[in-house]
Amino acid sequence: AQSVSQHNHHVILSEAASLELGCNYSYGGTVNLFWYVQYPGQHLQLLLKYFSGDPLVKGIKGFEAEFIKSKFSFNLRKPSVQWSDTAEYFCAVESNNNDMRFGAGTRLTVKP
Amino acid sequence: EAGVAQSPRYKIIEKRQSVAFWCNPISGHATLYWYQQILGQGPKLLIQFQNNGVVDDSQLPKDRFSAERLKGVDSTLKIQPAKLEDSAVYLCASSFFPFSPLHFGNGTRLTVT
Repeated sequence: AQSVSQHNHHVILSEAASLELGCNYSYGGTVNLFWYVQYPGQHLQLLLKYFSGDPLVKGIKGFEAEFIKSKFSFNLRKPSVQWSDTAEYFCAVESNNNDMRFGAGTRLTVKP
Repeated sequence: EAGVAQSPRYKIIEKRQSVAFWCNPISGHATLYWYQQILGQGPKLLIQFQNNGVVDDSQLPKDRFSAERLKGVDSTLKIQPAKLEDSAVYLCASSFFPFSPLHFGNGTRLTVT
């Protein structure tokens, strides 16, 4: 069965710092990749997705992620975080049988 | 568009009692998912429907959990009898078709005492 690993449980940054959250998955076939975000008190919502094509994908609010097939990774990045980026971030992988699995999540705290 | 609707928002029950959660997906979304999110963990897929048929229920504890989507629209997830370890947020999500992003509801927070 496929699995999704997020390396960091809790990340604390100051505003304007750069962000990189790691995500690795174990599945040998074709996958679709997602990052979801959950702001405090809100429901999960899509941040960005990768289906095919350019492995560098851009999402909302200045986030981007790079798919590196050889490393089974889909890391999330943002050059300069804001206090409003404080949230929990989940990496998700969908296999070709439409089975969507989530990582354990990374809690990001941005200090003003 | 209206989002995924779930009810109730909160539920507190004693162990061995039963409980049911309801979900109404976004209109036109054929795929519906139930996830369990235990505190500190990512969402875990319990069951996935495509219209009114089950696509994946491999992680559903079938001795106590059941789910149905009779008319291919709204869905109900039931737990009977509940255990302490069932305390979690139960999330419903829907998507227009397979391989498209999920839209989540606000979830039902279940506390089993």
